[in-house]
Amino acid sequence: EAQVTQNPRYLITVTGKKLTVTCSQNMNHEYMSWYRQDPGLGLRQIYYSMNVEVTDKGDVPEGYKVSRKEKRNFPLILESPSPNQTSLYFCASSDAGGLNIQYFGAGTRLSVL
Amino acid sequence: EDKVVQSPLSLVVHEGDTVTLNCSYEVTNFRSLLWYKQEKKAPTFLFMLTSSGIEKKSGRLSSILDKKELFSILNITATQTGDSAIYLCAVEANSGYALNFGKGTSLLVTP
Repeated sequence: EAQVTQNPRYLITVTGKKLTVTCSQNMNHEYMSWYRQDPGLGLRQIYYSMNVEVTDKGDVPEGYKVSRKEKRNFPLILESPSPNQTSLYFCASSDAGGLNIQYFGAGTRLSVL
Repeated sequence: EDKVVQSPLSLVVHEGDTVTLNCSYEVTNFRSLLWYKQEKKAPTFLFMLTSSGIEKKSGRLSSILDKKELFSILNITATQTGDSAIYLCAVEANSGYALNFGKGTSLLVTP
């Protein structure tokens, strides 16, 4: 089954404790992206990647890092999480060479205390 | 700055009603407009529109794009409680595959 898989689905952590949210897709998509969704603000892009070893900032990159060492994986790293990073996070992927229909993972709800 | 505005922000209707959701946009080098449905989980793809005046249809849902007036509408006829969700509009510009999302329309269909 074609899918985007995120882990964990729920995470509660404390300020300053490094964490990684994993994202993996099995559709051989070149393009992958991370979004956060906050009430009243909608979905905002954090980082994206056009292909392996190619990443770039989205609209709200501060406090986040990403890497793309393999085509299928695109982890989101919070080196020192802060309470304002409490949010719902989505990973998405699409076939950059075709129609840019982005398929989303199930989401990770993060709370930073 | 690219902008996508959805209206209304929220809507409550009775089962059987027809609803129209709106999405207007201002982007540089428009490429496509997408509609997604989000229940209590990931957004799921509904439609992609690239050309004006061509209606996309799937069951009771339909959508159309007007590239001259820079807007799209999503129609849902004979609404059901299962249509309750947030409907997201996103626009892709020719600037690297990023999708600019509107804030969404929250639709509640009551029995």
